[in-house]
This record gives sequence, C-alpha cells and structure tokens, in this order.
Amino acid sequence: QSALTQPPSASGSPGQSVTISCTGTSSDVGGYDYVSWYQQHPGKVPKVMIYEVNRRPSGVPDRFSGSKSGNTASLTVSGLQAEDEADYYCYSYGGSNNFGVFGTGTKVTVL
Amino acid sequence: DVQLLESGGGLVQPGGSLRLSCAASGFTFRDYGMTWVRQAPGKGLEWVSTVSGHGSTTHYADSVKGRFTISRDNSLDTMSLQMNSLRPEDTAVYFCAKTSYFRYDYWGQGTLVTVSS
Repeated sequence: QSALTQPPSASGSPGQSVTISCTGTSSDVGGYDYVSWYQQHPGKVPKVMIYEVNRRPSGVPDRFSGSKSGNTASLTVSGLQAEDEADYYCYSYGGSNNFGVFGTGTKVTVL
Repeated sequence: DVQLLESGGGLVQPGGSLRLSCAASGFTFRDYGMTWVRQAPGKGLEWVSTVSGHGSTTHYADSVKGRFTISRDNSLDTMSLQMNSLRPEDTAVYFCAKTSYFRYDYWGQGTLVTVSS
C-alpha cells in the first residue's frame, strides 16, 4: 500500500489557478472512480472537497474541480483565494485487498 | 448535526495496548461505514482501518494488520479501535470518520496517541 504521489508544493497568485496531480496505479486511481480530495488547514480537521473524481459536496465552491486520466487524478483550484492556502490530500479506493490509500499531500501557497 | 467524538488516546510504552473509541450522533449510525485515519506529527494522512455498517466486514492497512482490531456497537452508536503491540511509529493523531461510498464526509477532532518509553 504505497501512498499516492503528489507534488510537495504548489503556488499561485490570487485569482490564478493551480492544479495538483495525484498519481497511483491501475489498482487504485486508474481502476476505480472513487478518488476524493481533502483540504486541511494547519491544526484543523480534513474537509472533503471533491469525491468520486469530480463531484463537489454541497457548500464547496465551484472553484474546486476534479478530473482523472488513466492512473492520475487532478484537483484544480480556480480563482485562488487566500483561504485556499492549505494542505491538500488525494485519496483512492484500492479494491478489497488494498482498501484505501491517501496521497503524500501538497501544500498550496497563495502568493 | 453530525458529531464524532474520539476518546482514549494517551501515552503508552512500546509493546503496550490502547483502545480508542468514537461516539457518533446526528445520523443513522448503522447505515454507514466508519473509518480510522491517522496523522503522525508533521506528516500526511494515513488510512488505518474501515468497518462496514453492519460490522461484519473490516479492512486494515498493512502497517497495522494483525495488531489493530476495529469494531462497532450499533446499539450504542460507537466505534472502537483496539491497538496492541504498539510501536513508536504508531504515534499520531487518530481521527474517526463517517464513510459514505469511499469518501470521508465527516471527521472527529482526533485523539493523540503517543508511543514512547
């Protein structure tokens, strides 16, 4: 159960867009449409921002969007705002033998 | 409102045991899977274990398999994690999370487990 691979950091100026990648294998990201993304501010509890690759829970701004191609999922934050500065983690279901795995995490900085 | 409240964390020596609990309210507990996720100090999230709504199906990360046991009591709306043979690398904040179709839509505030001599 190796962690999914994310870039350690990403940044953008207010109003710009940032895209975070999440690379797994055909046994997790590539095999199921059960990829979700979590935002975590320092000292706070993670919050789900995207589920099932590209679905947004109620209350999450439509500036957040998700996609997937092959074994790589992506989270895009458009129109960056100061409050978007946080750590972001992807997660994928991995089947009954490797049920779940998180990504390594990406720190997003708003310049 | 959905509420999840963890308890049972603390300081334990290597090789020791600890039992964590998660008390749930605000939703029909038996209808949802429940999960433990941990986060070592300054590190990322790690999925630990998931139990199905009826409690008969469980899954474990390789790092805890054979040492940790997840369970639930649907009559009390509680979930537990029995942790045995604890190692220093098990030191982390342990979160319980409501599980809905392989996503974690509500999280508790977490309980800190420290394994040290």
